[in-house]
Amino acid sequence: KAGVTQTPRYLIKTRGQQVTLSCSPISGHRSVSWYQQTPGQGLQFLFEYFSETQRNKGNFPGRFSGRQFSNSRSEMNVSTLELGDSALYLCASSSAIGTTLYEQYFGPGTRLTVT
Amino acid sequence: AQSVTQPDIHITVSEGASLELRCNYSYGATPYLFWYVQSPGQGLQLLLKYFSGDTLVQGIKGFEAEFKRSQSSFNLRKPSVHWSDAAEYFCAVVRPNTGFQKLVFGTGTRLLVSP
Repeated sequence: KAGVTQTPRYLIKTRGQQVTLSCSPISGHRSVSWYQQTPGQGLQFLFEYFSETQRNKGNFPGRFSGRQFSNSRSEMNVSTLELGDSALYLCASSSAIGTTLYEQYFGPGTRLTVT
Repeated sequence: AQSVTQPDIHITVSEGASLELRCNYSYGATPYLFWYVQSPGQGLQLLLKYFSGDTLVQGIKGFEAEFKRSQSSFNLRKPSVHWSDAAEYFCAVVRPNTGFQKLVFGTGTRLLVSP
């Protein structure tokens, strides 16, 4: 079974621009979560989507948004980029159903650099 | 607020020696517990998980972890470290029975393996 894939792997953007990152979960997984990893803040939860609905959201400004498609693929968007948005963005998928939790499997991440 | 503490930022172990990485959590109830490993420039790989039952859990790559409720700990161990184990290790928790997929991570422990 193929793992979680993320595209692109690397991205360089300028302050003020917007960016869209993509994540394809493991086949059959309906839950997709996004995390931001920075040296200063560590790994922080952004949001989770399940069956095209945002189920949970972390403590990030509204510039960070996401969506999930009917095939469970997910995208996250960051508008009006700031230097502090430079980070590794990780996507994770899980076969979670309802309130039953299962482990999350992570993709390789997208390294975003904002200049 | 829920938190995860990994008290050791760096640990250096000789190849062939045993390893123990510490993890303590602060939660209202026993959470689900995970250990992930991250090699440079890579995503997170799940080593093992604890949901319930036997408090000693076996994972991949020869790792094991022991859940101790009385100490709110979930320490990761390996009897004999290989040079390829050099990486960063993250302990994480998630609140059970809520459907919330939000993983809360510790700050990580970087393992260095000396020859």
